[in-house]
Amino acid sequence: KNEVEQSPQNLTAQEGEFITINCSYSVGISALHWLQQHPGGGIVSLFMLSSGKKKHGRLIATINIQEKHSSLHITASHPRDSAVYICAVRNQGAQKLVFGQGTRLTINP
Amino acid sequence: NAGVTQTPKFQVLKTGQSMTLQCAQDMNHEYMSWYRQDPGMGLRLIHYSVGAGITDQGEVPNGYNVSRSTTEDFPLRLLSAAPSQTSVYFCASSYNHRGSPLHFGNGTRLTVT
Repeated sequence: KNEVEQSPQNLTAQEGEFITINCSYSVGISALHWLQQHPGGGIVSLFMLSSGKKKHGRLIATINIQEKHSSLHITASHPRDSAVYICAVRNQGAQKLVFGQGTRLTINP
Repeated sequence: NAGVTQTPKFQVLKTGQSMTLQCAQDMNHEYMSWYRQDPGMGLRLIHYSVGAGITDQGEVPNGYNVSRSTTEDFPLRLLSAAPSQTSVYFCASSYNHRGSPLHFGNGTRLTVT
């Protein structure tokens, strides 16, 4: 079973700061997902990665397959970025996803 | 496209009652799955399906039943509700299980008294 660890568990920052959320996993994977969940809200897929780096607006996701590690960066953070960010991995050859516990991000104005 | 549609949004059950949570997608996705989300536990997989007629168990399948008679629909049945099944339930789908973006429903908040 793959163990997925996210850090930090909670993060509070000021508007405009550069944010980094980390995800580490223990077993080789075929894909890694970053998800966003606003308070009381649904879950939205931000990125799916198998290698390298992806960018969408102010969000950047990177993955280092050798290190078994991924990061989600938010540039010029805004209060609307306040949400829980969830990392999920799919093991090689597996049909199921394994989820991290999530990182609760709060951006203060 | 409506995406993934989950109903109902809220439900209160008494212990021992049964009910079905509905999930439908209109994107012709092969892969569909049900998760429960509890405080401090993250998302846990209940059951999943890689295509019509094919289902399998996830991490926490006990007390739940699924079927996949069509590509579009993947209902989750609670056979005899228990207070431990109080949770928020999410249905999700993706084009296939090999690595494609996930699409989630809006969730069902279930309380069992």
